[in-house]
Amino acid sequence: QQKVQQSPESLTVSEGAMASLNCTFSDRSSDNFRWYRQHSGKGLEVLVSIFSDGEKEEGSFTAHLNRASLHVFLHIREPQPSDSALYLCAVSPASSGSWQLIFGSGTQLTVMP
Amino acid sequence: EAAVTQSPRSKVAVTGGKVTLSCHQTNNHDYMYWYRQDTGHGLRLIHYSYVADSTEKGDIPDGYKASRPSQENFSLILELASLSQTAVYFCASSGRDRGPERLFFGHGTKLSVL
Repeated sequence: QQKVQQSPESLTVSEGAMASLNCTFSDRSSDNFRWYRQHSGKGLEVLVSIFSDGEKEEGSFTAHLNRASLHVFLHIREPQPSDSALYLCAVSPASSGSWQLIFGSGTQLTVMP
Repeated sequence: EAAVTQSPRSKVAVTGGKVTLSCHQTNNHDYMYWYRQDTGHGLRLIHYSYVADSTEKGDIPDGYKASRPSQENFSLILELASLSQTAVYFCASSGRDRGPERLFFGHGTKLSVL
């Protein structure tokens, strides 16, 4: 079964410094990858989704997918304290269609002023 | 704008009691899902449905039932609530077409079982 793991568990960066989050998956045939953000006590907010190898940018968020190495990264450019949140990676196994998401356990990001 | 509404927003239940969490979507979506999130962790799929009057088991269905009486409504039922079911529960919906942007989440229901 598909496994999704995120690292690091927690990350602290200074305001304006690039933040990089890592997500690894086990099924190379997976075809949908998404990054979500969850502020404390709030719902999920989709940040960026990516289907094919390479990069996709949405505002200050860039996802980088490398199926060969089983990694999908999220880079946050010039993060602000308001970006402090739990970041979740989600992967759709190829056999499931887009409806089934396997989530990682998340990276807790803290952006210091 | 597409919307998924969950009720209640929070609930305190006693061990052994029955709990029903409700979800309503106005997206005209075929698919609906219930996820569970434990503090500081990712989400796990409990049950899902792709058509009214039919539900399917997800990854962690034990201790939960689901009901899809109509396309718009999807309920999660805990017949005998247990301490281990304390968590935040998210409902989501998506359309028939493939595409991650079409997955919409509700704001969650915080359940505390005492």
